[in-house]
Amino acid sequence: GQNIDQPTEMTATEGAIVQINCTYQTSGFNGLFWYQQHAGEAPTFLSYNVLDGLEEKGRFSSFLSRSKGYSYLLLKELQMKDSASYLCAVRDSNYQLIWGAGTKLIIKP
Amino acid sequence: DAGITQSPRHKVTETGTPVTLRCHQTENHRYMYWYRQDPGHGLRLIHYSYGVKDTDKGEVSDGYSVSRSKTEDFLLTLESATSSQTSVYFCAISDSPEVGEQFFGPGTRLTVL
Repeated sequence: GQNIDQPTEMTATEGAIVQINCTYQTSGFNGLFWYQQHAGEAPTFLSYNVLDGLEEKGRFSSFLSRSKGYSYLLLKELQMKDSASYLCAVRDSNYQLIWGAGTKLIIKP
Repeated sequence: DAGITQSPRHKVTETGTPVTLRCHQTENHRYMYWYRQDPGHGLRLIHYSYGVKDTDKGEVSDGYSVSRSKTEDFLLTLESATSSQTSVYFCAISDSPEVGEQFFGPGTRLTVL
């Protein structure tokens, strides 16, 4: 079957760095997405990886290792507004997105 | 932001009643999707459309039907709502499933009593 695992909840301190991990087992792989979702709102696109390595976009970076079925999202210089759920999704061989359950990130002052 | 709206935004209905949710886009994207989001689960695909009158089932399609008579509108119908269909429903659009991301509407919170 298809499976995407990410931690249910994480807590971090304002100004610090946090890494959110995602492991996947899917039927085929055509890219991995990270989305941010604030409570009561729609998911919004953060990053996309299709090749191994690190993609950096401001305070956010995303890493992919296809051989290990593993990705992480790195958030630096955490701000209170970063409190949200972070969703990992894999595009499978049918070009459908398979979604993890999301990681709720709590930022403390 | 992509121009996607959903209506209604909130709905409370009773078991056994029909319900239709509407997704409207102004981006002229070819692909449209309906997902449901429940605690402890990832977004799950209900149905999707790859053009006018072209639709296909997703992972959790039982109890749901869809229609797309115009590029900009994608309707999701629960023929006879059940309490297990209480959820938050999101519509998404994309220009192509092979490249690029999906853009999401604001969601509809549906409660079936």
